Amino acid sequence: GQQLNQSPQSMFIQEGEDVSMNCTSSSIFNTWLWYKQDPGEGPVLLIALYKAGELTSNGRLTAQFGITRKDSFLNISASIPSDVGIYFCAGPPGGTSYGKLTFGQGTILTVHP
Amino acid sequence: NAGVTQTPKFQVLKTGQSMTLQCAQDMNHNSMYWYRQDPGMGLRLIYYSASEGTTDKGEVPNGYNVSRLNKREFSLRLESAAPSQTSVYFCASSERGRGYTFGSGTRLTVV
Repeated sequence: GQQLNQSPQSMFIQEGEDVSMNCTSSSIFNTWLWYKQDPGEGPVLLIALYKAGELTSNGRLTAQFGITRKDSFLNISASIPSDVGIYFCAGPPGGTSYGKLTFGQGTILTVHP
Repeated sequence: NAGVTQTPKFQVLKTGQSMTLQCAQDMNHNSMYWYRQDPGMGLRLIYYSASEGTTDKGEVPNGYNVSRLNKREFSLRLESAAPSQTSVYFCASSERGRGYTFGSGTRLTVV
């Protein structure tokens, strides 16, 4: 099936630093979703993107829907310890706008105080 | 609280045993999904139900069956558990591509 390639696989940063991660696909996506998963919990939706070129913020988080529709980016500014977790990109494959999701492998974020 | 509720939260099975994982949502969503999560592999779709009365296979359906009992409930059954089914299982729901919401997961170990 279609795959989403997420990078980096893990990041170790100091509190206060900015974080950037991205997600790429060989096929177009009409929706990009970014999730965060805390230890022992299910993924929680952070940002949803529905249009190519769209730039959306949620507090210190900013995500962009790439203009080629084959990639998306998530930035976290001024990281804090509670940003620790696994970040996933996801989207409905096959050029559809809704339905089942394909997930990236995740980026594990560690923030040192 | 509105959301997706999964039971049980933890389960240990012996190889060959059967069990059913339960999922219920109270957001009036039409679509429901079962995913499994394994280290380094993200979440992979097992089965999904686009609407009440329909179910379809996802990426990794072998060894599983599902039942969409009504609009609220979507269960996942392991008929004969195998060690390869040791994983964390997540149920999710959505409505027309919006509001994807996940439950907190069932941690299953097959010994």
